[in-house]
Amino acid sequence: QVQLLQPGAELKKPGASVKVSCQASGYTFPSFGISWVRQAPGQGLEWMAWINPYNGNTNSAQKFQGRVTLTTDKSTSTAYMELRSLRSDDTAMYYCARDLYYGSGSFLDHWGQGTLVTVSS
Amino acid sequence: DIQLTQSPSSLSASVGDRVTITCRASQDIRTYLNWYQHQPGKVPRLLIYAASSFHTGVPSRFSGSGSGTDFTLTISSLQPEDSATYYCQQSFSRTPTFGQGTKLEIK
Repeated sequence: QVQLLQPGAELKKPGASVKVSCQASGYTFPSFGISWVRQAPGQGLEWMAWINPYNGNTNSAQKFQGRVTLTTDKSTSTAYMELRSLRSDDTAMYYCARDLYYGSGSFLDHWGQGTLVTVSS
Repeated sequence: DIQLTQSPSSLSASVGDRVTITCRASQDIRTYLNWYQHQPGKVPRLLIYAASSFHTGVPSRFSGSGSGTDFTLTISSLQPEDSATYYCQQSFSRTPTFGQGTKLEIK
């Protein structure tokens, strides 16, 4: 079955970077996009960015442009999300999700368990 | 960015009730609207995609409708396990966005 495996938690200091991994299994990794979604404490879901593992094309929400980098390693079916210049308000649960594209739309049909990133001095 | 506004922000209903959550888009998004359920401590779960298509394994009491700017998620007969926050999401634009969420509590 489709699985997306993420590390449980990361603790970082303000100004540092975090690189979260998402290892996929149970499907052909290059055939589906990967989106990253975060949820800060007490807040709603926030879409961050997307990558096409087949060709490496990426797209990100304007508020994260210049601060987020998405990459993939097709040999290990792993996607990575790096967020730089961390601030305390980046403290959140970060999810990767399989992005299934149909026609002109898409949806997130399988989600990782999430990585809790805590930014604290 | 396309803004999605959900209403109500929260509601409380009884088992067996019919519940409707609405999602209004700031511009025409045709039917590129998805619904997710998020329970505390769990992973978000896709319920409905393309406004009205059921995702695999979703109970038939959940249904979605709408097009353009106005959409609804309906739970026909509320069950205790439906306590969760529900989010709409648009995939019309290159930068998808979520609604702010509707927290559903069971009385």
